[in-house]
Amino acid sequence: AQSVTQLDSQVPVFEEAPVELRCNYSSSVSVYLFWYVQYPNQGLQLLLKYLSGSTLVKGINGFEAEFNKSQTSFHLRKPSVHISDTAEYFCAVRLYGFGNEKLTFGTGTRLTIIP
Amino acid sequence: GAVVSQHPSWVICKSGTSVKIECRSLDFQATTMFWYRQFPKQSLMLMATSNEGSKATYEQGVEKDKFLINHASLTLSTLTVTSAHPEDSSFYICSARGAPGLQNIQYFGAGTRLSVL
Repeated sequence: AQSVTQLDSQVPVFEEAPVELRCNYSSSVSVYLFWYVQYPNQGLQLLLKYLSGSTLVKGINGFEAEFNKSQTSFHLRKPSVHISDTAEYFCAVRLYGFGNEKLTFGTGTRLTIIP
Repeated sequence: GAVVSQHPSWVICKSGTSVKIECRSLDFQATTMFWYRQFPKQSLMLMATSNEGSKATYEQGVEKDKFLINHASLTLSTLTVTSAHPEDSSFYICSARGAPGLQNIQYFGAGTRLSVL
């Protein structure tokens, strides 16, 4: 079975500083990878996804992530954060191919932007 | 992107009553819908997966008779919490996966906060 590890439960960052949120996964087969953001009392919004092709994927709100197969990682980055980026971020993995429906989520990283 | 509408956003009910939560895909046909439960400051726990016109597949440990899921059409799924008790209080989130082109993406509703008194 696949699993997702988000090592940092909380990350405080000063406004306009860069940030990296770490995500590692474990799977014996190929996977699709996702980052979602959750604002307080809201559902999840897709930030970006890796399905195939280029390992560097760009998403909304200036975020990007790089798929590293050898390190089984999919870290999320932003070069300059804003107050509005304060939220919970979830990394998720889904097994490759049809019939594999389930998303497995990490435990989330709470990003707090300090003015 | 695709839109998933979830209603109500917040519901308070008395212990022993039943509560229905609706999840609609507004601009695409959702072949598969998912229901998650999220406890405060925790990740999402998948409760069940449903395909249109079929019975839902529940995850281990989720009571089928407590959490009734109906996926009657390609745009609507409902979750009914039957005889709700305070321990059922939680944040429930639905998700929908659509047709080819959207096939690999799950889109999420805004969630329903259930408080059982």
